[in-house]
This record gives sequence, C-alpha cells and structure tokens, in this order.
Amino acid sequence: AQSVTQPDIHITVSEGASLELRCNYSYGATPYLFWYVQSPGQGLQLLLKYFSGDTLVQGIKGFEAEFKRSQSSFNLRKPSVHWSDAAEYFCAGAGGTSYGKLTFGQGTILTVHP
Amino acid sequence: EAQVTQNPRYLITVTGKKLTVTCSQNMNHEYMSWYRQDPGLGLRQIYYSMNVEVTDKGDVPEGYKVSRKEKRNFPLILESPSPNQTSLYFCASSIMGGTNSPLHFGNGTRLTVT
Repeated sequence: AQSVTQPDIHITVSEGASLELRCNYSYGATPYLFWYVQSPGQGLQLLLKYFSGDTLVQGIKGFEAEFKRSQSSFNLRKPSVHWSDAAEYFCAGAGGTSYGKLTFGQGTILTVHP
Repeated sequence: EAQVTQNPRYLITVTGKKLTVTCSQNMNHEYMSWYRQDPGLGLRQIYYSMNVEVTDKGDVPEGYKVSRKEKRNFPLILESPSPNQTSLYFCASSIMGGTNSPLHFGNGTRLTVT
C-alpha cells in the first residue's frame, strides 16, 4: 500500500541549530512529494514540493528537502532554526494509482529552545 | 483575497443529528478535498473532487457524504454523526488535481460529537 511515514513524533532543537525532519515513502513509482507546515490553530501551508528533476528542492522560509530514491526518503532540512519555526510539519505524497489522493505522514512537532 | 473558507470553526452536536460543514473557495480551483486530523494520525483524506459533479472516496469515507454542484463549494455532510467523528476537519483546494499542484487549506472546523 502507498504510504508516507514520519518516524519522529517530536523533535526539539536549540535556536540557531540545524534541523532535519525525516520522511519515508512507499510508492510503486516516483511520487509527488510535499512538505507542509501547520502553526497552532491554523491550516497547512506548503513549504516545498518535488515532482521530478533536481532532487534538491528549495522552499520558503529557508527550508530545503532532498529526494533520495535509493532510501525512499524526502527529508526536510534547515541550516539554522528560528524560534518562529516551531510548528508541526507534515510530509505528504501522491501518485501511482492514487491520482487525486494525497497521503499525509503522521506529523512531526518541532519545539525550538531559545 | 484568495482563500478557502470553512464554516463553522467550532461545532458541538449530539449523536445522530445531521450536520453540514461548508467549504467555499474563490480561486476557481477544480480540485477540492476534505481531511480529518487526529493526534498521532496526521491528516487523512475523506473525499475529494476533481471537478463539478466528480467526487471520489479518500481513505476514510465511512459516515460522510459530499457533493460538488458548483465549482466553488464542497460541503461535507454527516448524516448521523457519531462520537468517533469528533475531529478537526480541513477543506483544501488546488488548481487541478491534488497530485501536481499545492493545496490551499481552510482554517479548520473543530467538531465534537457527544
């Protein structure tokens, strides 16, 4: 079955430290992959997306993600975290036989310490 | 302002009393979708619509109905709500097809069924 998994439920980092949030996918073919961020009480906002081509994609707010087919991963990174990055992050994927169906991971809550 | 509007933001109801959550978008998007968000489960797709009069089941459609009579509106109907439908619901839309264009989310509807 097609799926997206985020292994880390909660991550805590210090402000200014680097960040990597993990995402693994299981699809028969290369899926479309997305990262969304949700601030408390808000809907989701798209950070970046991968469809094809360059495996390193840049997004908003200084985030980037790298598609690694060999590892079935699409990890989100940021070199220096700001306190305002504290939020919940969702990886999502679609493709294969599920055109129109977008599957989300379980989410990773990011806490930033001053 | 381009937006997805859901109403109401909060709703408390009793088991078995039919309810409708409305969703409207002003971006002329073809694709619309409903999700429910539960702790530890991320977002799960309930129904989606590729265009007017075209709807299809997501991963958790049981107990829900939708309709797409107009392009801008995509209401979610609970004919006989049950406590296990207590959740946070999000409506989303995109230009065309949920797989190759980013989703715009509403601010959510928090539903409690007693």
